Amino acid sequence: GQNIDQPTEMTATEGAIVQINCTYQTSGFNGLFWYQQHAGEAPTFLSYNVLDGLEEKGRFSSFLSRSKGYSYLLLKELQMKDSASYLCAVSDSNYQLIWGAGTKLIIKP
Amino acid sequence: NAGVTQTPKFRILKIGQSMTLQCTQDMNHNYMYWYRQDPGMGLKLIYYSVGAGITDKGEVPNGYNVSRSTTEDFPLRLELAAPSQTSVYFCASSAHGEASTDTQYFGPGTRLTVL
Repeated sequence: GQNIDQPTEMTATEGAIVQINCTYQTSGFNGLFWYQQHAGEAPTFLSYNVLDGLEEKGRFSSFLSRSKGYSYLLLKELQMKDSASYLCAVSDSNYQLIWGAGTKLIIKP
Repeated sequence: NAGVTQTPKFRILKIGQSMTLQCTQDMNHNYMYWYRQDPGMGLKLIYYSVGAGITDKGEVPNGYNVSRSTTEDFPLRLELAAPSQTSVYFCASSAHGEASTDTQYFGPGTRLTVL
């Protein structure tokens, strides 16, 4: 079966760095997406990885290791507005997205 | 450019009632999707469409129907509402669907409760 695992909840302090991990087992792989979802709102696109390595975009970076079936999202200089759920999704062999349950990130002052 | 819009935002149904969730996109995207999101669970694909006149089942299609008569609109129909269909429903669209870099854009969601 297809499976994506990520921690249910994480807590971090404003100004700090946090790493949210995602492991996956899917039938085929055509890339991994990270989305941000604030409470009561729609998911919005953050990043995409298809090759191994680190993609940096401002305060957010995403890493992929295809051989390990592993990705992480790194958030630096945390701000209160970063409090949200972070969803990991893998594009499978049919280009359909398989979604993780999301990691709820709580930022404390 | 409104992106993806959904109506209604909230709805309460009684068991056995039917309703249609509306979804419209103005980005001229070929691909459209319906997901449901239950608390603590990942998004589950209900139905998707690769273009006008073409629809296909996703992971959890039972109890739902869709149609795609135009590029812009992709309504989701619930025929006999059941409590198990209580969820948040998201419509999404993407330009190509089969391009691995293709990003999905989401509507604001419809929060449905079946009592």
